[in-house]
Amino acid sequence: GNSVTQMEGPVTLSEEAFLTINCTYTATGYPSLFWYVQYPGEGLQLLLKATKADDKGSNKGFEATYRKETTSFHLEKGSVQVSDSAVYFCALANQGAQKLVFGQGTRLTINP
Amino acid sequence: NAGVTQTPKFQVLKTGQSMTLQCAQDMNHEYMSWYRQDPGMGLRLIHYSVGAGITDQGEVPNGYNVSRSTTEDFPLRLLSAAPSQTSVYFCASSLVGVGDYEQYFGPGTRLTVT
Repeated sequence: GNSVTQMEGPVTLSEEAFLTINCTYTATGYPSLFWYVQYPGEGLQLLLKATKADDKGSNKGFEATYRKETTSFHLEKGSVQVSDSAVYFCALANQGAQKLVFGQGTRLTINP
Repeated sequence: NAGVTQTPKFQVLKTGQSMTLQCAQDMNHEYMSWYRQDPGMGLRLIHYSVGAGITDQGEVPNGYNVSRSTTEDFPLRLLSAAPSQTSVYFCASSLVGVGDYEQYFGPGTRLTVT
């Protein structure tokens, strides 16, 4: 079956540090991959997505590249801000389907 | 547009009580779903619906019922609450069709069963 594994948190960084949150997946076929972000007290919001191999999703300075050969979709940002503190979820869905399979989430805290 | 709304925001139940979590969306989305969020486990799909009158089970459906009589509403019913159902519940909606449509999430309902 489909599954997503994220790096364990929590992750604590200083402002302007480089961020990587690892995500690997197991899936049949060719899934679409997503990163969702959950700010304190809120629901999830789509951060970025990629629908095929070698696609790069990007938004708000965050990037992730769909790597089929390593079944990975790592989230990166070159210089994090305090406002990036949140829980980040990697997820997949089979092509054209709506059912999402989530990783366990990674809590990120950025200190000024 | 209000997007996806959920009520209540917080609820405490005693074991064996029943209740309904409400979810509504005003975006005319065909697809709606319920997830539960537990520490260290991400979000797990409980039930989903691809349109009025059509529902199906997700990964963790036991102890929960749903119905979809209108496009806008997708309530989640707990028939006899158990402590294992203590969790944060999220409703989500999206379009259906070819392509990968963004799912929009509600703000969540935090449920405690004692």
